[in-house]
Amino acid sequence: SYELTQSPSVSVSPGQTASITCSGDNLGDKYICWYQQKPGQSPVLVIYQDNKRPSGIPERFSGSNSGNSATLTISGTQALDEADYYCQAWDSSTWVFGGGTKLTVL
Amino acid sequence: QVKLQQSGPGLVKPSQTLSLTCAISGDSVSSNSAAWNWLRQSPSRGLEWLGRTYYRSKWYSDYPVSLRSRITINPDTSKNQFSLQLNSVTPEDTAVYYCAGGLNWFDPWGQGTLVTVSS
Repeated sequence: SYELTQSPSVSVSPGQTASITCSGDNLGDKYICWYQQKPGQSPVLVIYQDNKRPSGIPERFSGSNSGNSATLTISGTQALDEADYYCQAWDSSTWVFGGGTKLTVL
Repeated sequence: QVKLQQSGPGLVKPSQTLSLTCAISGDSVSSNSAAWNWLRQSPSRGLEWLGRTYYRSKWYSDYPVSLRSRITINPDTSKNQFSLQLNSVTPEDTAVYYCAGGLNWFDPWGQGTLVTVSS
């Protein structure tokens, strides 16, 4: 079965740029979505179709996808961006999620 | 703005059936452009897609192969909602269950329901 791999944790200082990666075989041939989940809350879509932002998601969130990896980039990271982030892709008639990356802002 | 409200029991006995409902406001379960999904999340399995139902001149349901033998997702047009039934549950099915709208991405999500499988 298809697997999406994420680093368990990423740390960033406030105001700096955070990069969260998701890797999988030929991932660039698929569309990637990204979700943000804060403790005790439901996931929220922050990026769809590799690099599109839903309405209400700040411009500091951006995405890219090519080759075997996709990246969620948060520019000017704020304390309120501290959360778990999950990537998602479609493969073999099922949705697959990465294991999640905990973003710490310190 | 589409909103999803989940309901259902938080405790299910082993071998019994887990049943949850997701009420939709701001859209129609019969929409020709939407899809309605169930997912779950647990520490051991992470986020897992359980399946979806959608209407395209007739009703369709899709499930991952791993769950196909024991899962049913049904629409209820009279109440504008959809439901999840998972049969023959075991403690491994203990998780937070979510409903979510979307065909190619999931937005919005319901509030989540912690379902514990225990005697």
